[in-house]
Amino acid sequence: ETGVTQSPTHLIKTRGQQVTLRCSSQSGHNTVSWYQQALGQGPQFIFQYYREEENGRGNFPPRFSGLQFPNYSSELNVNALELDDSALYLCASTTPESGSYGYTFGSGTRLTVV
Amino acid sequence: TQLLEQSPQFLSIQEGENLTVYCNSSSVFSSLQWYRQEPGEGPVLLVTVVTGGEVKKLKRLTFQFGDARKDSSLHITAAQPGDTGLYLCAGAKTGFQKLVFGTGTRLLVSP
Repeated sequence: ETGVTQSPTHLIKTRGQQVTLRCSSQSGHNTVSWYQQALGQGPQFIFQYYREEENGRGNFPPRFSGLQFPNYSSELNVNALELDDSALYLCASTTPESGSYGYTFGSGTRLTVV
Repeated sequence: TQLLEQSPQFLSIQEGENLTVYCNSSSVFSSLQWYRQEPGEGPVLLVTVVTGGEVKKLKRLTFQFGDARKDSSLHITAAQPGDTGLYLCAGAKTGFQKLVFGTGTRLLVSP
């Protein structure tokens, strides 16, 4: 399987709710990062997982959490949604050999919080 | 805090014109990447530059990494409507896997 697949593509949630976004990476891509891209801005790093453990985190509160599974899939969970969480959420994966040189991005999940 | 500033933020040109997009930082990066992103899609990697002063060409696109590895430029020759999109630079630092993205340059090439 090639490429990075994200689901769902679009999602509308109400403030205060919880959401789970999913990402399926290529075989061998055991490093996955999540980014938040607000409208008109560049992506902001949320966190990174390597071999199912978080190994780097950006300036995001603890209500942003993640999981990575042995089958190269991962999840981003956001609790207590706020209006400012409305954004495009991107998943990117790479191999240990390629590192930051070889990220492949998914098409993203567009989250709207109302 | 956005460590990478891109200029211009928006560029609207006619087909056939040349353009340059700049990516500047006060920080040193071990590598710098350029991506193009189209509406509803994720960023697609165009090039990675790793050596100060490095120049890479990809058809009509020329990428340069500054000598001090703090800045980069993207030059497009004879722009075409298919070049339309959001151009993002992203820096990486040794020992850290995360990418620090620039503010983005939105390019519109009209026929």
